[in-house]
Amino acid sequence: AQTVTQSQPEMSVQEAETVTLSCTYDTSESNYYLFWYKQPPSRQMILVIRQEAYKQQNATENRFSVNFQKAAKSFSLKISDSQLGDTAMYFCAFMKRISGNTPLVFGKGTRLSVIA
Amino acid sequence: GAVVSQHPSRVICKSGTSVKIECRSLDFQATTMFWYRQFPKQSLMLMATSNEGSKATYEQGVEKDKFLINHASLTLSTLTVTSAHPEDSSFYICSAKGTGGSYGYTFGSGTRLTVV
Repeated sequence: AQTVTQSQPEMSVQEAETVTLSCTYDTSESNYYLFWYKQPPSRQMILVIRQEAYKQQNATENRFSVNFQKAAKSFSLKISDSQLGDTAMYFCAFMKRISGNTPLVFGKGTRLSVIA
Repeated sequence: GAVVSQHPSRVICKSGTSVKIECRSLDFQATTMFWYRQFPKQSLMLMATSNEGSKATYEQGVEKDKFLINHASLTLSTLTVTSAHPEDSSFYICSAKGTGGSYGYTFGSGTRLTVV
């Protein structure tokens, strides 16, 4: 079974600064996807960024980028130029890349507070 | 983009009554729907997986007779909490995987259930 570990329950960052959220995972699969989801106070789950495990290049989406270390099974999220609207719970998630339907496996989350 | 409409957003019911939560995929066909439960300040816990036209698959520890899932069409899945009790109070979220080979998931906005 796959597990996802987020070791930072809470973090804070000053507005405009950079913050990195950690995520490690454990799997015996070779093909999979990794995701970061944001859950603001509205509790709507919002996809922030995704990474295909077979791609060596780290994914980036505007101010969000990941550091994907496949051998170390590490998938950290870097938020640059933090904004107040980035305040939210952030969940790291894993999905096996197989045909058919597999659910996302979530970490416990990191609560990020952006301070003005 | 793909949208999943979830209703109601909030519901309060009396102990012993049943509550139905609906998730509709508005602009895509949801072959699979995942139902999650989220306790305050915790991660999403997978309850069950439903595929259109077949019986749902429940995770270990989830009572099938209490949490009835129906996925009768490619655009509608429902979760019915039967004979609700205060311990069933929680936040319930659906997530749909569409057709067309996309590996993305779309989440509903969630339902906050309070049983009094």
